[in-house]
Amino acid sequence: LAKTTQPISMDSYEGQEVNITCSHNNIATNDYITWYQQFPSQGPRFIIQGYKTKVTNEVASLFIPADRKSSTLSLPRVSLSDTAVYYCLVVTYSSASKIIFGSGTRLSIRP
Amino acid sequence: EAQVTQNPRYLITVTGKKLTVTCSQNMNHEYMSWYRQDPGLGLRQIYYSMNVEVTDKGDVPEGYKVSRKEKRNFPLILESPSPNQTSLYFCASRLGPSYEQYFGPGTRLTVT
Repeated sequence: LAKTTQPISMDSYEGQEVNITCSHNNIATNDYITWYQQFPSQGPRFIIQGYKTKVTNEVASLFIPADRKSSTLSLPRVSLSDTAVYYCLVVTYSSASKIIFGSGTRLSIRP
Repeated sequence: EAQVTQNPRYLITVTGKKLTVTCSQNMNHEYMSWYRQDPGLGLRQIYYSMNVEVTDKGDVPEGYKVSRKEKRNFPLILESPSPNQTSLYFCASRLGPSYEQYFGPGTRLTVT
């Protein structure tokens, strides 16, 4: 399983676009990238997942360069309610189900 | 409503007293997992299951047992709890390896 590295914390302001980058140098061909959001004392919630290039949903965008050694979660026009911990995971598309959460990025949004 | 439920939500117990935390999902998911979350250590996978009667160890399985006798249920068993198992526990399920996980609300366990 590829190890991921993310910034420990980030600060931003309401209305700004926030980009959180995750490094996963040892990503394998069968791996894909998944991001989760977690609020205090709640279970993580799926945000977005991708394999390469760009994926967009109603919540966020995920940018993955051609070498796939990193990915960037982009949150457009954040609000105070986006204050949370964001986890980047590399998950293998196989029958195995071992999953490793990294330390995550604690995002704080200010008014 | 599609969901993962856990019981109990809060539990205070004493060292050595066997306990079970139940987890149930109503989405017909094949895969289920248990995690523990501790300050500064993030979420760590304890056990996972890929189907009925198929389970395997995650990163921190010591002191825990699981069983998967039915597809919807995946109980976590602590045969002899110790204070270092005081933690916030999450159960999760997903349809398959490439699908997102759905997490339960968490069980806060304190072992004194």
